[in-house]
Amino acid sequence: KAGVTQTPRYLIKTRGQQVTLSCSPISGHRSVSWYQQTPGQGLQFLFEYFSETQRNKGNFPGRFSGRQFSNSRSEMNVSTLELGDSALYLCASSLGLLAGEDTQYFGPGTRLTVL
Amino acid sequence: AQRVTQPEKLLSVFKGAPVELKCNYSYSGSPELFWYVQYSRQRLQLLLRHISRESIKGFTADLNKGETSFHLKKPFAQEEDSAMYYCALSKNQAGTALIFGKGTTLSVSS
Repeated sequence: KAGVTQTPRYLIKTRGQQVTLSCSPISGHRSVSWYQQTPGQGLQFLFEYFSETQRNKGNFPGRFSGRQFSNSRSEMNVSTLELGDSALYLCASSLGLLAGEDTQYFGPGTRLTVL
Repeated sequence: AQRVTQPEKLLSVFKGAPVELKCNYSYSGSPELFWYVQYSRQRLQLLLRHISRESIKGFTADLNKGETSFHLKKPFAQEEDSAMYYCALSKNQAGTALIFGKGTTLSVSS
């Protein structure tokens, strides 16, 4: 079974630009979550999508947004990039069960550098 | 506020020694607790969750609600246990919307 894939793997942008990152979940998984990882703040939850609807949201400004398509693939967008947005962005997919044991599988991440 | 604290950034032990990675949490309800591990050049992956109460790779973790702790333990460390370990909590049993600790690097030497 193919794992979670993220594209691109590396990205360099300048301040003020916007960026779109993509995540393809494991086949059959309907939940996709996004996390930001930085040396200072560690791993922080951005949002979760399930069946094309945002189900959970972290504490990030509105510049960070996401969406999910009918095939469960997800994109996240960051507008008006700031230097502090430089981070590794991780995507995780799961079946999306609300009860019972479910497992999140993480992708390799997209390394975003903002200059 | 919901928070997960891992007080040690680095824990170095010798092979065969016992290991305890500390994790304390702050949460007003009944959280679901998890340990995730990231081996060198590999993806972040689930190690164990408190609800299943199982032992994975010799690791166990007991949820102590009185002390709000979920420490990870292994009686005899192996070199292949060297990795970054993250404690995390979730508001839901599925384990999404995770709040992670800053992580502890475990280094096991021979």
